[in-house]
Amino acid sequence: QEQLVQSGGGLVKPGGSLRLSCVASGIPFSGYYMMWIRQTPGKGLEWVSYISGRGDMIDYGESVKGRFTVSRDNGHNKLYLQMNSLRPDDTAVYFCATDGASNPVIWGQGALVTVSS
Amino acid sequence: DIQMTQSPSSLSASVGGRVTITCQASHDISKHVNWLQQKPGKAPELLIFDASNLALGVPSRFSGSGSGRHFTFTINGLQPEDTATYYCQQYDDLPQTFGQGTKLDIK
Repeated sequence: QEQLVQSGGGLVKPGGSLRLSCVASGIPFSGYYMMWIRQTPGKGLEWVSYISGRGDMIDYGESVKGRFTVSRDNGHNKLYLQMNSLRPDDTAVYFCATDGASNPVIWGQGALVTVSS
Repeated sequence: DIQMTQSPSSLSASVGGRVTITCQASHDISKHVNWLQQKPGKAPELLIFDASNLALGVPSRFSGSGSGRHFTFTINGLQPEDTATYYCQQYDDLPQTFGQGTKLDIK
């Protein structure tokens, strides 16, 4: 069965760090471009980051550039998002997902990140 | 960034009825649109890809059309389980962007 299972998330103080993980099964992971997307009630769905199958093409949304780092371990079918210098407006549910042009498009179950003192 | 303007923001319809949601892109995006369904507390799920293709396992009462800047998503024969929020997503260019969502309530 094709699925993405996330771990990580939680409560962190402003300025702190957190790492999200996403493990894929049922798909040839190294062949998939992957994304991180976050969702808040106020801003809806917001694209955060993108990484190519080999990890040689990476991009970030303007709001997280310089603070977040995406990476992948194709040997273990894992995707990561390292989040540093977290701010209250980073509070959101974070989803990993295959790229919108993928076949199939699948999403992880989501992980809540709360940045608060 | 490509803006996706989705309407309406909410609607209510009866079991067996039909609803239509539209998305307008700020630029020509060919047919590079997905339609997603999200139920409360769950991740979005793909219903339609490439503007008009039904994803595997998705009932045929869901359909999509359009190209360029204008896209339409329709549900025929509404079922109670169609209660959800629906989103369009463009993947023509980075950053991939989403419509604001349409919350559908089934009466």
